[in-house]
Amino acid sequence: KNQVEQSPQSLIILEGKNCTLQCNYTVSPFSNLRWYKQDTGRGPVSLTIMTFSENTKSNGRYTATLDADTKQSSLHITASQLSDSASYICVVTDRGSTLGRLYFGRGTQLTVWP
Amino acid sequence: EADIYQTPRYLVIGTGKKITLECSQTMGHDKMYWYQQDPGMELHLIHYSYGVNSTEKGDLSSESTVSRIRTEHFPLTLESARPSHTSQYLCASSVSKGQGPYEQYFGPGTRLTVT
Repeated sequence: KNQVEQSPQSLIILEGKNCTLQCNYTVSPFSNLRWYKQDTGRGPVSLTIMTFSENTKSNGRYTATLDADTKQSSLHITASQLSDSASYICVVTDRGSTLGRLYFGRGTQLTVWP
Repeated sequence: EADIYQTPRYLVIGTGKKITLECSQTMGHDKMYWYQQDPGMELHLIHYSYGVNSTEKGDLSSESTVSRIRTEHFPLTLESARPSHTSQYLCASSVSKGQGPYEQYFGPGTRLTVT
């Protein structure tokens, strides 16, 4: 069964600190993995997309890594800001269907305190 | 910022009413999607469309229906709303980019409450 598991479920950090969010998946055949940021009451916004051949990708203070062998990914946030408070969702796409079906994790709820 | 819009943003309605959630995108994307999301849970695909006059049901069974008469418009309709339909509904669109991964853009969502 294709699944995406994220940890931790929630995380509280102080402003300026770094943090790392984890994602494990069983989706096969794998096409790509993306991280989304979803603010409360809003739609998800894409942060990074990585294909099988990419093992790291950065977007400002966000750096995602991918280990396709162990089927793990992480999202590292550097020098956190209050505006980073949101849910971070790991999404894996399979290449076994024409649609390119997306499998969503439940997200990690990050809260940044001043 | 994605050019995909949803209305209304919030809707509180009584049981048995018919409702239509609107979704429009101005990017000319061929593929559009509807997702349902409960608090703290993952998004579930309920409908998708490859293009005009194409609609398919997603992974999660839903009593809603959709139509795709125009490329930019993908409304979702509930003929008779029930409390179990209370959820957040997210619309998304994407365009195929050949071999590479496509980007999927989400609207802001409609928070539906059925009393």
